[in-house]
This record gives sequence, C-alpha cells and structure tokens, in this order.
Amino acid sequence: DIQMTQSPSTLSASVGDRVTLTCRASQSISRWLAWYQQKPGKAPKVLIYMASNLESGVPSRFSGSGSGTEFTLTISSLQPDDFGTYYCQQYNSYRWTFGQGTKVEVK
Amino acid sequence: QVQLVESGGGVVQPGGSLRLSCVASGFSFYTYGVHWVRQSPGKGLEWVAYLRSDGYNRYYSDSVKGRFTISADSSKNTLYLQMNSLRPEDTGVYFCAKDQTPTVSSTFGPWGQGTLVTVSS
Repeated sequence: DIQMTQSPSTLSASVGDRVTLTCRASQSISRWLAWYQQKPGKAPKVLIYMASNLESGVPSRFSGSGSGTEFTLTISSLQPDDFGTYYCQQYNSYRWTFGQGTKVEVK
Repeated sequence: QVQLVESGGGVVQPGGSLRLSCVASGFSFYTYGVHWVRQSPGKGLEWVAYLRSDGYNRYYSDSVKGRFTISADSSKNTLYLQMNSLRPEDTGVYFCAKDQTPTVSSTFGPWGQGTLVTVSS
C-alpha cells in the first residue's frame, strides 16, 4: 500500500498566522489527494479534494497544492475554529490510505 | 440533505462477531459508493471496506479481508458491516462515509458520527 507521511505531527500557532502542513506519498499519486479536518469526538470533514479543489462551503483561507508525491495544505490566516487535527488521504486503484495527522494547537 | 447514522457498536470478546449498520438518507446507494473507515488511537484513520454503486464490487483492506463483509439493503437505505473473528486490534470508532461524487471514488464525504467497537476479554 502507498504510505502517507505528514509533517509536522504537532504545530503550535496563533490566530492570524499563516500555516502550512505537508503530506508526502511513498510513490506518485498524481493529484489523488484529499485533506480533512477533524475536531475531537467528531467525524472528519473534507476540505480539499484532487489536491487543490476547495470543497463547497469551506472558507477560502484554506488552499491545497502539489502533485506526484509532495502536497501542502495552507491556511492563510488561522481562525479560532481552525484548531484541530488535519489528515491527508490518497486514493489509488481502490485502495485508500491516510496520513497520521497534524494537530494544530493554540500557541 | 445527506445524513449517515451508524449503530451496532459495543463490547465483544476476541473471536466474536458484530454487525454494524449505517442508515443513509439524502442519496441512493445506486448512485454513490459507500465506505467503512475506522479510527483507533494506535493506528489513526484506516479505510476498511468499500461497496461500489453497482452493488456488486466490494473491496477490503488486507487487515480485514476474509473476516469482514460489506453489504447494503437499498430498500432500507442501510449499509452493513458484518465483522467476524474479531481481534483486539479491530477496536476503534467505525464510520460510514459516501463517495463525494458519483463518478470518482477518491474522496469521502460526508461521514456519519461513528460507532465504537471494543474487542476485549
């Protein structure tokens, strides 16, 4: 299976900061990558699909980029509602795998 | 509005069986594929099983293949996960989720709220 590695594991930031999360795939996945946000006790919610497409209803401060094996999720100006854990997820030939997550916490 | 509601979780001994249910509304299993995904503290998020919208093609992770079976009853708008020969490492919160679009299976959305399965003696 394709392995997904996220960095950093934890990120401490303040409201208003520009934040960048990274996800690396063990082999090329073209642009078959999604990003999810999860709050404690809740299900994940999709933010970005196909590497850079913003899900309907998601604020425009979220953006995604990358292709092949290197991907990033950027939050242009961190808001109080943005604290939580972020996961990347790849799709390849009816196999889906997630990264281990990046926890964004208050600095 | 799309909604998915899981049930059926609980405590079961190793080697036991459990059947999870996921009642769906706002979409049809004939149009969207549906997944089971689990989350455990030790292994994070792990995709478990997928049922394509044709209702026939099923896919499983290597960790559950041969022990779990995904199925659906379209007349009841309900997705199932039959789990046999359960192991402690199967412990976690089990979510059902639909394909984000009818034509591409790459993204999960939305998800249900999850049901907790604990495998312990």
